[in-house]
Amino acid sequence: DTAVSQTPKYLVTQMGNDKSIKCEQNLGHDTMYWYKQDSKKFLKIMFSYNNKELIINETVPNRFSPKSPDKAHLNLHINSLELGDSAVYFCASSLRVVIRQHNEQFFGPGTRLTVL
Amino acid sequence: GQQVMQIPQYQHVQEGEDFTTYCNSSTTLSNIQWYKQRPGGHPVFLIQLVKSGEVKKQKRLTFQFGEAKKNSSLHITATQTTDVGTYFCAERVNQAGTALIFGKGTTLSVSS
Repeated sequence: DTAVSQTPKYLVTQMGNDKSIKCEQNLGHDTMYWYKQDSKKFLKIMFSYNNKELIINETVPNRFSPKSPDKAHLNLHINSLELGDSAVYFCASSLRVVIRQHNEQFFGPGTRLTVL
Repeated sequence: GQQVMQIPQYQHVQEGEDFTTYCNSSTTLSNIQWYKQRPGGHPVFLIQLVKSGEVKKQKRLTFQFGEAKKNSSLHITATQTTDVGTYFCAERVNQAGTALIFGKGTTLSVSS
């Protein structure tokens, strides 16, 4: 069974469109994240959700909005896509550090977004 | 802002040679994590270091955490083609949270 899954794996779309990426984890973790990896492989945290509450919101445009219907899912919705949004988006999950000493993160396979 | 410096950005070695990547932080770290990302893959957790001066080994991989907890290194002995990928160090954004700030990564290529 896949621990952290994302759909779609590839997403090609036109500028100005709205799109969503879905993420699900079956690890029983209570914290989920979205990371963006650009063409230079730089990984940057975008959002973190803990028990349905946004606890970190880095300086990302408000065109990006995370939505978590339950603690096993964290979807990413993007409005008015721009060329610079092209990247690989990774979902990840972990346990809160206050529960476990080791809070390693488990990453999904990634979604490669290409904006034309 | 908070950041972890990682060098080198790229490293090419012949199979059998050793490889080391280094991470440095301007602040004292509570812990540091290391991840490996294979080409076309996703980051996979390797290890977490917590204690000052800690050294951990995983087969041919040796991880070190500096005495001042401001730097860390990953050393691979006798590289193999299966070691190819990008190695990232990462630190927590802050004490209260679990999100990570990643170094820029070191991409290792190995020729046989």
